[in-house]
Amino acid sequence: AQSVTQLGSHVSVSEGALVLLRCNYSSSVPPYLFWYVQYPNQGLQLLLKYTSAATLVKGINGFEAEFKKSETSFHLTKPSAHMSDAAEYFCAVSEGQNTDKLIFGTGTRLQVFP
Amino acid sequence: NAGVTQTPKFQVLKTGQSMTLQCAQDMNHEYMSWYRQDPGMGLRLIHYSVGAGITDQGEVPNGYNVSRSTTEDFPLRLLSAAPSQTSVYFCASSYSGRGHTGELFFGEGSRLTVL
Repeated sequence: AQSVTQLGSHVSVSEGALVLLRCNYSSSVPPYLFWYVQYPNQGLQLLLKYTSAATLVKGINGFEAEFKKSETSFHLTKPSAHMSDAAEYFCAVSEGQNTDKLIFGTGTRLQVFP
Repeated sequence: NAGVTQTPKFQVLKTGQSMTLQCAQDMNHEYMSWYRQDPGMGLRLIHYSVGAGITDQGEVPNGYNVSRSTTEDFPLRLLSAAPSQTSVYFCASSYSGRGHTGELFFGEGSRLTVL
């Protein structure tokens, strides 16, 4: 069964610092991988999606993620944090190649300090 | 566009009461699903539907029923509420077409407390 593990339930950075949120998946076949963001009191929205077309995936708001098969990782990064990036971030994997059923990680809450 | 609309946003129930969480989408999405979000556990899939008349169970279906009589609506029914069902519930839908697999659109959530 597919699963994802997010290391670190809370991450704190200063404004302008690098953001790195970690996600590892468990699968022998590269699946679809996703990062979603949840702002306070809102639903989740898609940040970016990996579909095997390219290992470096660019998303909205300056975020990007790199798929590394050798490390089974899909870490999310942003070069310079903004206060508005404070939110909870979820890594997710699809159950298969042709399904919308997603398995979500436990989430990482990002705090950005001035 | 309204997107995915969930009602109610907040609800308090007593143990044993029943209720229905409503979900409607106006994007003509074939795929719809219900997740629950609990602290430290992320989102867990309750039920999902790949089209009108077709539903299936997710990871945590016990205590919940669903139906899909139209493309637009996907209500979630709690038959006899229990304190363990205290959670935030999210409805999500997807176009599910070529190139859009897994791109879910979420509602704003329904916060349910069972006393």
